[in-house]
Amino acid sequence: DIQMTQSPSSVSASVGDRVTITCRASQGISSWLAWYQQKPGKAPKLLIYAASSLQSGVPSRFSGSGSGTDFTLTISSLQPEDFATYYCQQASGTFGGGTKVEIK
Amino acid sequence: QVQLQESGPGLVKPSQTLSLTCTVSGGSISSGSYYWSWIRQPAGKGLEWIGRIYTSGSTNYNPSLKSRVTISVDTSKNQFSLKLSSVTAADTAVYYCARVDGYLFDAFDIWGQGTMVTVSS
Repeated sequence: DIQMTQSPSSVSASVGDRVTITCRASQGISSWLAWYQQKPGKAPKLLIYAASSLQSGVPSRFSGSGSGTDFTLTISSLQPEDFATYYCQQASGTFGGGTKVEIK
Repeated sequence: QVQLQESGPGLVKPSQTLSLTCTVSGGSISSGSYYWSWIRQPAGKGLEWIGRIYTSGSTNYNPSLKSRVTISVDTSKNQFSLKLSSVTAADTAVYYCARVDGYLFDAFDIWGQGTMVTVSS
């Protein structure tokens, strides 16, 4: 089984900050990685697919990078609506443990 | 646009079988390069992938749940279903169905709203 490890598990940040979340796969997955945002009581929302491709309708302040085993989600300038939990996922399979982005 | 809706009992007794259905509306379950998947989330915890099915009937399951899970599809009803046998309290969670888009590197692009299932006597 491929394991996905996210870090940090939580981060405190202010509006306007740059936030970076990392995800590591236990074995190489090329670019078969997606990122999701989840708000309390809601279903996850797809942000990034193929490691770096922005899903339609997602603001350009979100970006993804990486390939193989190491991946990054970056929010360039945190907005109030971005406070949420973020998950990485290897294609159609295991999710990372999540990163909660909290207000500082 | 395509929407997904989960349905099924909200309460299941221990040792029984949990059964949920996901109804696809706004498009055919058989069109495009899509898989159809189930995911669950215990309260306050992360997401756990359960498994997926293609409309041909081919399936893939999470190895940790494989012995208890069956996912099936009914293209005539535009639905796919989840059965999880021998449930315990550890299976209490919000269960989501989702569409897996092969054009998006198998990302889950459309999700149902989720349904809460509690395992309790």
